[in-house]
Amino acid sequence: AQTVTQSQPEMSVQEAETVTLSCTYDTSESDYYLFWYKQPPSRQMILVIRQEAYKQQNATENRFSVNFQKAAKSFSLKISDSQLGDAAMYFCAYREIYGGSQGNLIFGKGTKLSVKP
Amino acid sequence: ETGVTQSPTHLIKTRGQQVTLRCSSQSGHNTVSWYQQALGQGPQFIFQYYREEENGRGNFPPRFSGLQFPNYSSELNVNALELDDSALYLCASSFGRAEQYFGPGTRLTVT
Repeated sequence: AQTVTQSQPEMSVQEAETVTLSCTYDTSESDYYLFWYKQPPSRQMILVIRQEAYKQQNATENRFSVNFQKAAKSFSLKISDSQLGDAAMYFCAYREIYGGSQGNLIFGKGTKLSVKP
Repeated sequence: ETGVTQSPTHLIKTRGQQVTLRCSSQSGHNTVSWYQQALGQGPQFIFQYYREEENGRGNFPPRFSGLQFPNYSSELNVNALELDDSALYLCASSFGRAEQYFGPGTRLTVT
């Protein structure tokens, strides 16, 4: 069974600085998707960034970028120029591309990010 | 375009009771997935509905059941509530295998 592990329960960053959140996963599949979701205190789960495993290029979305190491099964999120609004729980998630279901998400336990002014 | 909505926002029930949670999918979406998020944990997949049929289920007992209606809205029913059922219940809608968009969740407390 696929698993997702986030080894940092909490992280802290100074406003305008850069922070990296770690995620490792386990799967025997060669094609899959990886995601980072943000969950602020409002509880709404918001998609931050998505990576397709068959793409070698790391995904970027404005201040958010990933370091995808397929062989190491590692998928870290880098947040540049951190802002107060980035404070939230961040979840790493895995999803199969193929298979009978429509592709349910498997989440890690999350990392709580605090941003200091 | 209306996003995913869930009702109610909060709910308090007593152990042994039954509860129904509701989810309205985003316009154009035909798939609804339900997740349970216990305090301090990541969401766990309960089940998914695609075109009104259950299309995948996680490791949850049969007292967790659901429905999807012709307009693709969905219900999650939980019978014989247990204290451990206290959690945030998230619904996500998508068009088939495309991106899942989450609702704001329903906070269920079982006393």
